[in-house]
Amino acid sequence: EIVMTQSPATLSVSPGERATLSCRASQSITSRLLWYQQKPGQAPRLLIYGASTRATGIPARFTGSGSGTEFTLTISSLQSEDFAVYYCLQYNNWPFTFGQGTKVEIK
Amino acid sequence: EVQLVESGGGLVQPGGSLRLSCVASGFTFTTSWMDWVRQAPGKGLVWVSRINSDGSSTSYADSVKGRFTISRDNAKSTVYLQLNNLRAEDTAVYYCRVWVADKRDDYWGQGTLATVSS
Repeated sequence: EIVMTQSPATLSVSPGERATLSCRASQSITSRLLWYQQKPGQAPRLLIYGASTRATGIPARFTGSGSGTEFTLTISSLQSEDFAVYYCLQYNNWPFTFGQGTKVEIK
Repeated sequence: EVQLVESGGGLVQPGGSLRLSCVASGFTFTTSWMDWVRQAPGKGLVWVSRINSDGSSTSYADSVKGRFTISRDNAKSTVYLQLNNLRAEDTAVYYCRVWVADKRDDYWGQGTLATVSS
């Protein structure tokens, strides 16, 4: 099973600042990575697929990058609605595996 | 509009069973692979199971293999997850999920809560 490790566990950021979230795979997953945002009581919302392609309707302030084992989600200027938990998911090998999540909180 | 509506959750004793259902609409169900993902209270997401478009191929997370069974009825646009020999650690919200290729997006249901407790 591929282990996905996200860092940091919690990120405290002020509105308008940049947030950088990391996700590392225990072996190469090429670019088969998704990023999700989840708010309390809601289902996850897809942000990025194929490591770097924004999903439908996702604002340009969300950028995904990386390949192989190292991936990054950057939120260029945090808005109030961006405070949430973010998960990466690899879909290169079964079982698909999620990272443990990064909580982005208001500083 | 793509919709996934789960049902079937509830309170069950350890060792018991539940059958979850997910009714789909708004996309071509018969050509779509379907997934179940779960989330224990206050915890992260875990991919549970996947089924291909005609039901001939299924996959399971190790933690549920041999206890859970995924199936589908394409005539009813419904995917099922049969949960047997339930344990306390199976307590979670279970989500149905699909990637819709022609929309290049994925969709989730609202989730159904399964609680395993005596």
